[in-house]
Amino acid sequence: EAEVAQSPRYKITEKSQAVAFWCDPISGHATLYWYRQILGQGPELLVQFQDESVVDDSQLPKDRFSAERLKGVDSTLKIQPAELGDSAMYLCASSASGSGKSYNEQFFGPGTRLTVL
Amino acid sequence: AQSVTQPDIHITVSEGASLELRCNYSYGATPYLFWYVQSPGQGLQLLLKYFSGDTLVQGIKGFEAEFKRSQSSFNLRKPSVHWSDAAEYFCAVDPFSGGYNKLIFGAGTRLAVHP
Repeated sequence: EAEVAQSPRYKITEKSQAVAFWCDPISGHATLYWYRQILGQGPELLVQFQDESVVDDSQLPKDRFSAERLKGVDSTLKIQPAELGDSAMYLCASSASGSGKSYNEQFFGPGTRLTVL
Repeated sequence: AQSVTQPDIHITVSEGASLELRCNYSYGATPYLFWYVQSPGQGLQLLLKYFSGDTLVQGIKGFEAEFKRSQSSFNLRKPSVHWSDAAEYFCAVDPFSGGYNKLIFGAGTRLAVHP
């Protein structure tokens, strides 16, 4: 069964360092999502791609976070510099399409747990 | 303000007992409604969804949920809980206000199961 892959699964970094997370969506899925899940809270959408274009990054802290999906396939989420408050689980999800009248289920990867010391 | 509320942060039940997890939403129109489960160290798995039609929906793993428009609620139920159901459960909505699909999650309910 096809799955969303994420790496690394765990990352420990020091404050002010740069970190990067990678996501490989299910093959053929046009829409890719990055969520942040702080301990004790539900996931919050950071950025949404349709193919290689960003369609929603309203909750992305753009002063330190960046995301790209250059070829419309895999994606990288970067934080520079990391802050203590960035400690969280970062989840990637993909769906066949994210718009229109038909609804397509989002499939989630296992996440990357980030700890900032 | 638009929101998804799960009033119970933590619930403990005995194995074999029934379960109901509450979810309320606040949106102008009925959004698409979902329940997800997250086991430790795992991603989110979709249990069930409601778009329209029959207000009682069946999902995987023996779960069901009932949509009540008058109460803006979408509560998750299971008649008999198994120890493997211990996990965190998230209610989510997609406002589907045009444009792209987008999930808004509640804060989650952590379920513990006593043997």
